[in-house]
Amino acid sequence: KAGVTQTPRYLIKTRGQQVTLSCSPISGHRSVSWYQQTPGQGLQFLFEYFSETQRNKGNFPGRFSGRQFSNSRSEMNVSTLELGDSALYLCASSSTRGATYEQYFGPGTRLTVT
Amino acid sequence: GEDVEQSLFLSVREGDSSVINCTYTDSSSTYLYWYKQEPGAGLQLLTYIFSNMDMKQDQRLTVLLNKKDKHLSLRIADTQTGDSAIYFCAVRDSWGKLQFGAGTQVVVTP
Repeated sequence: KAGVTQTPRYLIKTRGQQVTLSCSPISGHRSVSWYQQTPGQGLQFLFEYFSETQRNKGNFPGRFSGRQFSNSRSEMNVSTLELGDSALYLCASSSTRGATYEQYFGPGTRLTVT
Repeated sequence: GEDVEQSLFLSVREGDSSVINCTYTDSSSTYLYWYKQEPGAGLQLLTYIFSNMDMKQDQRLTVLLNKKDKHLSLRIADTQTGDSAIYFCAVRDSWGKLQFGAGTQVVVTP
C-alpha cells in the first residue's frame, strides 16, 4: 500500500506570495491533518479534515487555509507569505477518527520564504 | 491546552538500552504515541498505547505508561546506530488533536 505523498517536496517563495501544498493520503484513509514543523516552535497542528469537512483547527492566522476533496486528497494554502512561514509542512492521514487514530505522515514539503 | 515535555538529548552506546521519557498534562488523553524522525524525513509511527494500558511491548520497543503521574516512556532494547534519530512523544487531546513534545535527539555511539 502506498504511503502518504506530498508535493512538492521543496519550494522557495518570496514574501507576499501565496503557496499551495498538496497531500495524497493512504488509500482508504479519510482523515488528513496538517502540521507545521520549525526548529523554534516544534510540531504545531494546523488543521484536520475528514470527509471534506474541517474538524479541528490549530492556532494559526487566517492566512493558513485548507480543503479536502471527495477523493480525500487535501491541499493547504498560505497567502501573503511571511519569513516566519518557512518550515517543514507535514501531512498525516488516518483511517478513522474514533479508534486508535494512528496517523501516518508523509515526507513533508520544505517551504523557504525569502 | 496540552503540554507535552521531553528531555532534549540522549546519548547511548550501541548495544545498550535507551529510555526516552515524556510527561503530559491532559489527564483525559486517550492515546499516546511515539514517532521517530530521521534527518530530512517525515515522522514514522513507532508504536502507541491506549490510556487504560500500563505497558506495551513490540519487538525491541517497550512503552510504559504511568497514568497517575502522567508519565510515558519508550525503551529501546539493544540500541543500534540506525536508531539515531529524533523521537517524539505525542498525545491525543480531548479535542482529538495530536499534541507533540519537542522531541528527544538520540545519538548512538559505537
